[in-house]
Amino acid sequence: QVQLVQSGTEVKKPGSSVKVSCKASGGTFTSHTLSWVRQAPGQGLEWVGRVIPDLGIANYAPKFLGRVAIIADKSTRTVYMDLSSLRSEDTAVYFCAREGIVVVPPSKGAGAFDIWGQGTLVTVSS
Amino acid sequence: EIVLTQSPATLSLSPGDRATLSCRASQSISSSYLAWYQQKPRQAPRLLIYGASSRATGIPDRFSGSGSGADFTLTISRLEPEDFAVYYCQRYGTSLPVSFGQGSKLEI
Repeated sequence: QVQLVQSGTEVKKPGSSVKVSCKASGGTFTSHTLSWVRQAPGQGLEWVGRVIPDLGIANYAPKFLGRVAIIADKSTRTVYMDLSSLRSEDTAVYFCAREGIVVVPPSKGAGAFDIWGQGTLVTVSS
Repeated sequence: EIVLTQSPATLSLSPGDRATLSCRASQSISSSYLAWYQQKPRQAPRLLIYGASSRATGIPDRFSGSGSGADFTLTISRLEPEDFAVYYCQRYGTSLPVSFGQGSKLEI
């Protein structure tokens, strides 16, 4: 049974960067794309981006381009999301999620998210 | 980017009632690449429905999805106390970015 375990709570200053990790246990790590989704307090879900571990290719939502980097380390079965130039609006819970319902080749589109990490709270405050 | 609009924002019902939640897309979604998720407070979302009408593993059959094109519906046939939560629809498949609806809260 695949599980995704994320790193712990982060408190950051505006303008700094944060790196959140998501470690996969069980299953074949490179078989599925992993996405990051965030949720600001009291708000809905927002897709940040994804990485295809087998190819090392990442895709990002337009609003995060230039500020986010998502990479996969196959040796440790861990995906990282690095978000820079943090502002208060980035305060949110960040989830990693596996695209386990695959409908097109990962390089051509996204799957539905069947397994989620527990979430990591990132607070940006001066 | 395809925008998903969910309605109603909040639905107040009682256990045993039937719930119907709507998700409308700003343009047609190819091959019904539409999913529904349930989220309870302080928990990660849980996949309920994918492909507009296929139940995910372990999801009770009181949950059903329907629709095509740009109009989709999640129906919960007979509400159990544990069904009161927030529900999100999501478009996936070709053409990034992935998008979510703003959510519908189902409350007692």
